[in-house]
Amino acid sequence: GENVEQHPSTLSVQEGDSAVIKCTYSDSASNYFPWYKQELGKGPQLIIDIRSNVGEKKDQRIAVTLNKTAKHFSLHITETQPEDSAVYFCAASRDNQGGKLIFGQGTELSVKP
Amino acid sequence: KAGVTQTPRYLIKTRGQQVTLSCSPISGHRSVSWYQQTPGQGLQFLFEYFSETQRNKGNFPGRFSGRQFSNSRSEMNVSTLELGDSALYLCASSDRMNTEAFFGQGTRLTVV
Repeated sequence: GENVEQHPSTLSVQEGDSAVIKCTYSDSASNYFPWYKQELGKGPQLIIDIRSNVGEKKDQRIAVTLNKTAKHFSLHITETQPEDSAVYFCAASRDNQGGKLIFGQGTELSVKP
Repeated sequence: KAGVTQTPRYLIKTRGQQVTLSCSPISGHRSVSWYQQTPGQGLQFLFEYFSETQRNKGNFPGRFSGRQFSNSRSEMNVSTLELGDSALYLCASSDRMNTEAFFGQGTRLTVV
């Protein structure tokens, strides 16, 4: 069935370092891959997304890469700051499935000052 | 533009009762999806509505149901509550299929 695996489950970095979170999806028809950041007591917030016709997308300190052949995509955060500390979720979806997102299990990122 | 609004924010119910949660999407968005979030199972898709029609449904028992009104507001209902239904229920809206989905803050349901 549809599945998204996310690693690592926890990640601790020093302020200013880079952080990388990786996801692998099983459904080869998936064509939309968003990333969400969830802070305590809040709903997930969309931070960046990528479609299957693009290999990489960047927005300031955040970038996402997609490898369709290997069916994996990654989130890269550079120059991390304490306010980047949160749980990050990757997700995948495809056309003809309505709004159904298949989420990874999440990565708890801790940025130490 | 106002974000996705979910009410109530917190609920405590007793086993066997039923509950209704409400979601008001971003103005102009016609798609509303519901998710259940628990520490053990993560974020799981419940169902999605678009223009008052359910387009997709996840693997949840029939006790979980939903509907959407002509103004795109959506409600989900859980009947015969079980302890395992305790979770954060999240609603997301988008303006069309397979595009950016924006989440509300969720309703924290506790079943005792």
